[in-house]
Amino acid sequence: DAKTTQPTSMDCAEGRAANLPCNHSTISGNEYVYWYRQIHSQGPQYIIHGLKNNETNEMASLIITEDRKSSTLILPHATLRDTAVYYCIVRPATSGTYKYIFGTGTRLKVLA
Amino acid sequence: ETGVTQSPTHLIKTRGQQVTLRCSSQSGHNTVSWYQQALGQGPQFIFQYYREEENGRGNFPPRFSGLQFPNYSSELNVNALELDDSALYLCASSWGGTSGHNEQFFGPGTRLTVL
Repeated sequence: DAKTTQPTSMDCAEGRAANLPCNHSTISGNEYVYWYRQIHSQGPQYIIHGLKNNETNEMASLIITEDRKSSTLILPHATLRDTAVYYCIVRPATSGTYKYIFGTGTRLKVLA
Repeated sequence: ETGVTQSPTHLIKTRGQQVTLRCSSQSGHNTVSWYQQALGQGPQFIFQYYREEENGRGNFPPRFSGLQFPNYSSELNVNALELDDSALYLCASSWGGTSGHNEQFFGPGTRLTVL
């Protein structure tokens, strides 16, 4: 399974965009990039996923580099409620039965 | 649509005891995965059940065992509890088909403390 590396922590001012990077240099061609977040020891919450095109939903945008070796999760207008640990995960696209390999994630603190 | 639920929310046990944690999967999901999350760490995969059979196991000893029932709910059993078993135990359900974007939906977790 591909591994991911993320910065340990980041701060972001409320109302500004939060850009969270993830390196997945060993990703395979059939592996998706998934982002989850975990707020204060609750269960991780799905945010967004993508294969090679940029993706956007109501929560965030995902920018994947052309070589797919890294990606950036963008929270366009961070709020205090976005303070959480953000995990970047890669997984095969073709199977629903798989395990997630979590790293230690990025602890994002949104500052008032 | 009912989300993933877990019980109990919190549990305190003593070393050597046995514990059973329960998980109800989201409606329509046939796959349940269990993770252990120690304080300050990311979740670690324990095992997965697909249609009532174990379908993959992480690096956990045999005293961690599980079951999945016909309604796709699941149990995690831990025997001979050790202090290091203190953690948040997370259950995640998903649709185990082969058609792409089958993300896992996590429950709120069970906080186990072993004294």
